[in-house]
Amino acid sequence: GQQLNQSPQSMFIQEGEDVSMNCTSSSIFNTWLWYKQEPGEGPVLLIALYKAGELTSNGRLTAQFGITRKDSFLNISASIPSDVGIYFCAGHDFQGGSEKLVFGKGTKLTVNP
Amino acid sequence: EPEVTQTPSHQVTQMGQEVILRCVPISNHLYFYWYRQILGQKVEFLVSFYNNEISEKSEIFDDQFSVERPDGSNFTLKIRSTKLEDSAMYFCASSDGRGYYNEQFFGPGTRLTVL
Repeated sequence: GQQLNQSPQSMFIQEGEDVSMNCTSSSIFNTWLWYKQEPGEGPVLLIALYKAGELTSNGRLTAQFGITRKDSFLNISASIPSDVGIYFCAGHDFQGGSEKLVFGKGTKLTVNP
Repeated sequence: EPEVTQTPSHQVTQMGQEVILRCVPISNHLYFYWYRQILGQKVEFLVSFYNNEISEKSEIFDDQFSVERPDGSNFTLKIRSTKLEDSAMYFCASSDGRGYYNEQFFGPGTRLTVL
């Protein structure tokens, strides 16, 4: 089945540092998504990527969809304590006829003030 | 801002018992989903539901699971005879369409603990 490999598994950084995490897949997805999950909450969409090579920003967050449609990265610049949470990449293969999102295992981010 | 709500937030049950997890999707949404997340693991798709029928399900969604939209607002997931391995967070999601991409909005989840 489709799987997303997300790395790193966890990160411990100081406030103000930049963060980078990535996701790779053995299969192609039409859409890549980055979600953030905070304790006791469901995943919240941060950025959606639709086109191969697309680079999209949302405030301090920047994400890129790889040219091969098999990878993506998420960067967070100048981290702040409220960036703490688990970041998930997710793929959607609509052209394959599926409605499901396939999630990576997540990157747990800890920001030390 | 409209949001997906789920009840209860935490359900504890004995193995073999039936549980019903409830969700109220965003009011104008037509597509509904259940996902689960075993502690420390990734979020996994269970089932999607549209026009009062299942449109897609995963291999996890076996005969012990069923979904229903009993009225115009609720969307439920029933587990007929719970097993220890059903312990997980269950997330409901909804979207207003399908296609190239329609964002799936997630609820806060129900933590199911099977003893």
